[in-house]
Amino acid sequence: GESVGLHLPTLSVQEGDNSIINCAYSNSASDYFIWYKQESGKGPQFIIDIRSNMDKRQGQRVTVLLNKTVKHLSLQIAATQPGDSAVYFCAENAEAGGTSYGKLTFGQGTILTVHP
Amino acid sequence: DGGITQSPKYLFRKEGQNVTLSCEQNLNHDAMYWYRQDPGQGLRLIYYSQIVNDFQKGDIAEGYSVSREKKESFPLTVTSAQKNPTAFYLCASSIGPGQSRLRGANVLTFGAGSRLTVL
Repeated sequence: GESVGLHLPTLSVQEGDNSIINCAYSNSASDYFIWYKQESGKGPQFIIDIRSNMDKRQGQRVTVLLNKTVKHLSLQIAATQPGDSAVYFCAENAEAGGTSYGKLTFGQGTILTVHP
Repeated sequence: DGGITQSPKYLFRKEGQNVTLSCEQNLNHDAMYWYRQDPGQGLRLIYYSQIVNDFQKGDIAEGYSVSREKKESFPLTVTSAQKNPTAFYLCASSIGPGQSRLRGANVLTFGAGSRLTVL
């Protein structure tokens, strides 16, 4: 079936730098994308989401960019802090309603390490 | 505080035993989900339920069973038929498709997880 994947499994940055985590998806019918952060031994936490009718959405220190032409999604974290160190997952939902509503397909994850 | 509570946090099982993982939410969410996470991998959907007394198989349902008798509860049983049950299990919930016009209806709120180890 269709899947969501990540280009880079690990990313190391210095504190204060900006981080960019990338995600490729293959299902052109996907209409909703979401980023989660997972710290070691914990459940994923919602970061930001975006619908397919948008190209960009900003949150607090985070921005998600969606390029539907090349089926690419990215998460940008500004002024990265040590507390941002975690695994970041992108996920997609390919059906806006019906029995598959809320059924997310997750990518493999990227490990972000922030050095002080 | 509203949230999802999973228990136990750690569980050990002998081969051939069934075990049940608990998941309770007080968020008044209609939909609930069970995901499995293996080291270095993403989350894979086991079962999900969009309404009480109804549930559907996810991508890896074999060897698992669920029930949804109450809106707040969605327990997962890992049966002896599951050949490789050692994993981190995550329960999640969301507002259901009946409220799909509201933004954020696809956002899943996760519990802290239960780590199951087969001895």
